[in-house]
Amino acid sequence: AQTVTQSQPEMSVQEAETVTLSCTYDTSESDYYLFWYKQPPSRQMILVIRQEAYKQQNATENRFSVNFQKAAKSFSLKISDSQLGDAAMYFCAYSYYSGAGSYQLTFGKGTKLSVIP
Amino acid sequence: NAGVTQTPKFQVLKTGQSMTLQCAQDMNHEYMSWYRQDPGMGLRLIHYSVGAGITDQGEVPNGYNVSRSTTEDFPLRLLSAAPSQTSVYFCASRNRDGHYGYTFGSGTRLTVV
Repeated sequence: AQTVTQSQPEMSVQEAETVTLSCTYDTSESDYYLFWYKQPPSRQMILVIRQEAYKQQNATENRFSVNFQKAAKSFSLKISDSQLGDAAMYFCAYSYYSGAGSYQLTFGKGTKLSVIP
Repeated sequence: NAGVTQTPKFQVLKTGQSMTLQCAQDMNHEYMSWYRQDPGMGLRLIHYSVGAGITDQGEVPNGYNVSRSTTEDFPLRLLSAAPSQTSVYFCASRNRDGHYGYTFGSGTRLTVV
């Protein structure tokens, strides 16, 4: 079974600094997708960034970037120039083709990020 | 741009009561799923559907039923609520191409007393 592990239940970062959230996953699949979702106190799940496993280039979305190490099965999220609005729970998620045309998400347990003014 | 709409946002049930959590999407997405979120557990898949008339079980299906009579709607039914079903429930949908991840509703906080 596929598993996603986020080893840091909580992290904090000073405003304007850089922080990296860790994620590892276990899979025997070769074609899959990885995502980082942000959940602020509003509870809404917001897609931050995604990565296709067949792409070697790391995905980037403005201040958010990933370090994707396929052999190591590692998918960390780097947030640069942290802002107060980045404070949230962050979930790493994995998706693969599971038959019948479905791509179901498997989530990690989340990392709660606090931003210190 | 409604996206995925869940109702209600909050609900309190007594043990043994039944209820239906509603989920509707207006993006013509084929795939819809229900997740539950518990503290320290992340989100876990309850049931999913790959199209109208087709549903299947996820990781934690016990105590829940689903049906998919239309592309837009995917209700989740609790037949006899138990305190263990106290959780936050999310409905999510996506199109056929799984590359772009899921769009989530705003969640339903359910408390069973």
